[in-house]
This record gives sequence, C-alpha cells and structure tokens, in this order.
Amino acid sequence: DVKVTQSSRYLVKRTGEKVFLECVQDMDHENMFWYRQDPGLGLRLIYFSYDVKMKEKGDIPEGYSVSREKKERFSLILESASTNQTSMYLCASSPPPMGGQETQYFGPGTRLLVL
Amino acid sequence: DAKTTQPTSMDCAEGRAANLPCNHSTISGNEYVYWYRQIHSQGPQYIIHGLKNNETNEMASLIITEDRKSSTLILPHATLRDTAVYYCIVRRHQGGKLIFGQGTELSVKP
Repeated sequence: DVKVTQSSRYLVKRTGEKVFLECVQDMDHENMFWYRQDPGLGLRLIYFSYDVKMKEKGDIPEGYSVSREKKERFSLILESASTNQTSMYLCASSPPPMGGQETQYFGPGTRLLVL
Repeated sequence: DAKTTQPTSMDCAEGRAANLPCNHSTISGNEYVYWYRQIHSQGPQYIIHGLKNNETNEMASLIITEDRKSSTLILPHATLRDTAVYYCIVRRHQGGKLIFGQGTELSVKP
C-alpha cells in the first residue's frame, strides 16, 4: 500500500512564525504535491515537484516555499505565517504518468491554525 | 478536464450496496474516470479509476456506460465507515493538479 505521511495532524502557530510542514512517501514516487483545502474553495495547488531539487509553482504559491532534497520528502515552508494561512494542508504523491493515467495518493492532512 | 455532475447527497442503509452516479457527458476519448473519497477531517483517499471497461478492486466497482458519458461507483456492502464525500474526476494527466468538484455526501445509516 502507498503510504504518505505528514509530520503533524494539528498545529497551532503564531503570526510571523516560520512553519515547516513535512511530507514523506514510501513508494519511490517521482511526483509530490502540496495543496490546501478550505471550505467552499475546494483543493488548491500550492507547489509541486517532479524530481529531487525541482519545484513548480501551483495556483497559490504566494507566502509559501518548498524544498525537495530527497525523493521521498517534500517540505512546505510558511516563511512568516499569517492568519489567512489557517487551513488544512494536504500532501500527495504520484508515480510518473502512464498512458495518461496519474493517480495521486494523499496524506492524512495537517490542520494548521495561525493565531 | 471534463466537467462532472454528481448528486449533492445520498443515503444508504448499512450492509446494502451504495451506488453513486456521475455524469460526464463532455468526456473525451483519452480521459480517465477517477473516484476519490474524503472522510471528515482526513485526506482524500483514492478508490478506483477506469477508461472504458468496468473495474473492480477490493474497495469498489466502477461501471462506465458504453458511451462513457456517465459512470457509477458501487460500494457492494456499505458500512458506517464509508460515510464520506465521494468525488468523481475526469482527467488525462497534463500536469499535476487534481480538481475536486462538490462531490456526493454519502451517509450510511444503521
């Protein structure tokens, strides 16, 4: 079974703090993704990565950065947390697409509250 | 990615089959049908996907009509733990992000 783990299920931080969210997958997947999910807005892609040390901006990268030093680990960094970054953060991974198929597997999510 | 239409909510009795429909009348020939579900406060869970043929795995069955304009996800013996929002997504991989629609909120009742 594919396993995607995230470092915390719940996190409370103060405005201005630097926040690190870690994601690890054990299936040797090339692709990894960070989304946030908010009521009424669905899933929104923040950043993704197709290879080690490679990153691409998603739809809402502002206020975030990422790091992928190892294939199995993809970190999301909030440089200076703000209250509008309170959200559920979801990490996903997927193998390379084959014939147009690409299945993403998600972690359990991190619910972040910024005070 | 093609647009999908799903009922907002459905109920199912525990132990009975849950049949969740999805319309995707604008699907193109090379797009796959994916199903995910999301239990409250958890990450989305992949269930199954298919192109033309019906598919079955340990979680569910996927029935795709011959014209591919609609599909049905079948949970053969629903349990209380199957209560979740179920998302039908039609896509061909073109670069990353998944787009989840409103989905169907399935309530399995004792």
